[in-house]
Amino acid sequence: GENVEQHPSTLSVQEGDSAVIKCTYSDSASNYFPWYKQELGKRPQLIIDIRSNVGEKKDQRIAVTLNKTAKHFSLHITETQPEDSAVYFCAANTPNFGNEKLTFGTGTRLTIIP
Amino acid sequence: GAGVSQSPSNKVTEKGKDVELRCDPISGHTALYWYRQSLGQGLEFLIYFQGNSAPDKSGLPSDRFSAERTGGSVSTLTIQRTQQEDSAVYLCASSPLTGVHSPLHFGNGTRLTVT
Repeated sequence: GENVEQHPSTLSVQEGDSAVIKCTYSDSASNYFPWYKQELGKRPQLIIDIRSNVGEKKDQRIAVTLNKTAKHFSLHITETQPEDSAVYFCAANTPNFGNEKLTFGTGTRLTIIP
Repeated sequence: GAGVSQSPSNKVTEKGKDVELRCDPISGHTALYWYRQSLGQGLEFLIYFQGNSAPDKSGLPSDRFSAERTGGSVSTLTIQRTQQEDSAVYLCASSPLTGVHSPLHFGNGTRLTVT
């Protein structure tokens, strides 16, 4: 089955600097890679996703890149702000004739230092 | 509209007892997932329901765990003879469509503590 690895497990950056979180996946059939943000005590929520037919996607201060050949994808947050502090999870799908499940990474706890 | 609802929000139980956790997905969502999140850990896949198809139970950690989804809506996750290692937050998520990469909508979870 799919195996998703995520690094680093914790990350502290100065407010205003950039943060990068990296994930690798094992199943070459995976074609959908979402990122979820979980603030303390809250439910995970989708912040951005990318499909395998594109290499990069941006949404304001966040961007995702995908390298299908190397089977890795990354989340980039620029001009970080205190509200970016949270746990971020990457995920990859396991396609199966219209059904699919998401396998998540182990999460990255991002702390923005004011 | 209402989001994914889980109950109870917290459950403390004695080792060896059975527990039932409930999930009410968003109306019309055909896909329903259960994940487990242990303290400081990632989201561990447990089981996935999609419409009338047979559920994907590949993530259930032991035969003490079972889940059902009645009428394509409400789901219950049952843990029999609970153990301390079962202590975790159990998250339910639903999704409206299949095969088109719809986002998962998570509930707030049930925090299970086995004493």
